Amino acid sequence: AQSVAQPEDQVNVAEGNPLTVKCTYSVSGNPYLFWYVQYPNRGLQFLLKYITGDNLVKGSYGFEAEFNKSQTSFHLKKPSALVSDSALYFCAVREMVTGGGNKLTFGTGTQLKVEL
Amino acid sequence: SQTIHQWPATLVQPVGSPLSLECTVEGTSNPNLYWYRQAAGRGLQLLFYSVGIGQISSEVPQNLSASRPQDRQFILSSKKLLLSDSGFYLCAWRGEGSGRLGTGELFFGEGSRLTVL
Repeated sequence: AQSVAQPEDQVNVAEGNPLTVKCTYSVSGNPYLFWYVQYPNRGLQFLLKYITGDNLVKGSYGFEAEFNKSQTSFHLKKPSALVSDSALYFCAVREMVTGGGNKLTFGTGTQLKVEL
Repeated sequence: SQTIHQWPATLVQPVGSPLSLECTVEGTSNPNLYWYRQAAGRGLQLLFYSVGIGQISSEVPQNLSASRPQDRQFILSSKKLLLSDSGFYLCAWRGEGSGRLGTGELFFGEGSRLTVL
């Protein structure tokens, strides 16, 4: 089975500083990887995905993620954090399922707190 | 553009009562549909998915069931709720591409928060 791990429950960063939220993956074959953000009592919002091609993927709200095959990592980054970036972030990996569809398996989430 | 709606947004139910959460998608046809549960504000657990009308796959054994009576409607049900059914329930549909060539990102509704007392 495919899986992702988010080793940090919480990440604290000062506004204006760069941020990194870590994710490592374990897959058989080529990984399809995703990042989502969740604000309190809201659904998940899609940020970006890696399918193939450039290892640096750009997404919504100034976020980007770096795919590293040798380290099996897909870390989320932003050059300058904003207080409004404070939220819960999920890494996910795609798995195929019976019937031709697929599903996403999510990490446990990392709470990002950006302080003034 | 495609939209997804879930209702009710919040629900407080006594133990032993029935449950029905509804999800509908607009602007697409034959979507793959999913029900996830998020407990304690963290981890997401896939409960059910559906690749077509009447086709339901269950990921974990539980007190809940799902049905897909129409192409863009997905319903989560229970005959008798347990305390452990409390949580935040998220419906999602699969994005661009169909079949094995699709890249697979999911788009989520705003969730239904269920409290069982």
